[in-house]
Amino acid sequence: AQSVAQPEDQVNVAEGNPLTVKCTYSVSGNPYLFWYVQYPNRGLQFLLKYITGDNLVKGSYGFEAEFNKSQTSFHLKKPSALVSDSALYFCAVSNSGGYNKLIFGAGTRLAVHP
Amino acid sequence: NAGVTQTPKFRVLKTGQSMTLLCAQDMNHEYMYWYRQDPGMGLRLIHYSVGEGTTAKGEVPDGYNVSRLKKQNFLLGLESAAPSQTSVYFCASTEGQRLYGYTFGSGTRLTVV
Repeated sequence: AQSVAQPEDQVNVAEGNPLTVKCTYSVSGNPYLFWYVQYPNRGLQFLLKYITGDNLVKGSYGFEAEFNKSQTSFHLKKPSALVSDSALYFCAVSNSGGYNKLIFGAGTRLAVHP
Repeated sequence: NAGVTQTPKFRVLKTGQSMTLLCAQDMNHEYMYWYRQDPGMGLRLIHYSVGEGTTAKGEVPDGYNVSRLKKQNFLLGLESAAPSQTSVYFCASTEGQRLYGYTFGSGTRLTVV
């Protein structure tokens, strides 16, 4: 069965510092991995995805993620955090045969302090 | 603006009442999904549709029914609401099998008392 783990409920980082939000996954076959962000009282917004190819994926708002097949991880990163990055972040996984059905992690709340 | 529209945005139901949540998308997407979001549990798939006239069960389908009579609309029904169905409901859509990211609606906050 497919699953996604986000081991941290909350990540705190100072503005200007690099940030990492962790994600590990379990899926049969090739994984298709996604990151979404949710601002208060809003729907989820797509940030980036890994389907195939380069292990480092760049997305919206300066975010990037690194796919590591041996560690089954897909951590979200940003070199310099902004206060406006504070939000709830979700990692999600699908496989090639699943009608694009996504399995989401529980979410990680990112708090960027001035 | 193009996108996914959910109605209503908020609703309070009494136990046993019924209601229908409407999701409409204007992007000609084939696939549509209903998720529920609960604290600490992320989003869980309720039902999904891969085209007009088709529906399928997701991870947590019990107590819900869906219909997709028109390609642009995906309805989620609660026949007899229970307090356990208190949640935030999100609709999403995407193009067919090319694994684009989902486009989400802004959600419906449902409280069952």
